[in-house]
Amino acid sequence: AQSVTQLDSQVPVFEEAPVELRCNYSSSVSVYLFWYVQYPNQGLQLLLKYLSGSTLVKGINGFEAEFNKSQTSFHLRKPSVHISDTAEYFCAVSVQNQGGKLIFGQGTELSVKP
Amino acid sequence: GAGVSQTPSNKVTEKGKYVELRCDPISGHTALYWYRQSLGQGPEFLIYFQGTGAADDSGLPNDRFFAVRPEGSVSTLKIQRTERGDSAVYLCASSTNGGANTGELFFGEGSRLTVL
Repeated sequence: AQSVTQLDSQVPVFEEAPVELRCNYSSSVSVYLFWYVQYPNQGLQLLLKYLSGSTLVKGINGFEAEFNKSQTSFHLRKPSVHISDTAEYFCAVSVQNQGGKLIFGQGTELSVKP
Repeated sequence: GAGVSQTPSNKVTEKGKYVELRCDPISGHTALYWYRQSLGQGPEFLIYFQGTGAADDSGLPNDRFFAVRPEGSVSTLKIQRTERGDSAVYLCASSTNGGANTGELFFGEGSRLTVL
């Protein structure tokens, strides 16, 4: 079975500061990795994904994540956050060729303060 | 519409009642998913349709939960004899065939169910 652990439930940061949201996963088979973002009163939106190839992936709004197979991690980073980045961020995995069934972490609430 | 549409956005019901939640996916998306999100938790997989058939219903918690997608488009999640523990936000997502192979899903805003 697969599982996802997001190590921080809440991350408060000041505007223009860098941020890292941590995600570790557990799986005995190959997986795809995702970060989804949920802005207040909106549906979940795909931020970025790792399917194969380069372990550093870039997403929307200046976010990037790095897949580390040996550490089974997929941490999300942004060098300088904006107030508008305030949202809930979810890390997720799916098993290859299993129809897109996503296993989500518990979520990290990013709060950007002026 | 352009996105995944879910109705109602909010539903309050009494314990023991029957509830239906509706999902209208993005036009042309063949895959449709239901997830449940409890307070403070990530979304939890319930069921996945490819076309009209349920390809994976391993996440349905018990036989009080049932979902249909009779024409391969709109789907209805049905909950019988609701319990207070069923209170959650029920999320629907859809995807193309390619997206379904990789997990690239488009989510609706959810239906918030409160069981009193």
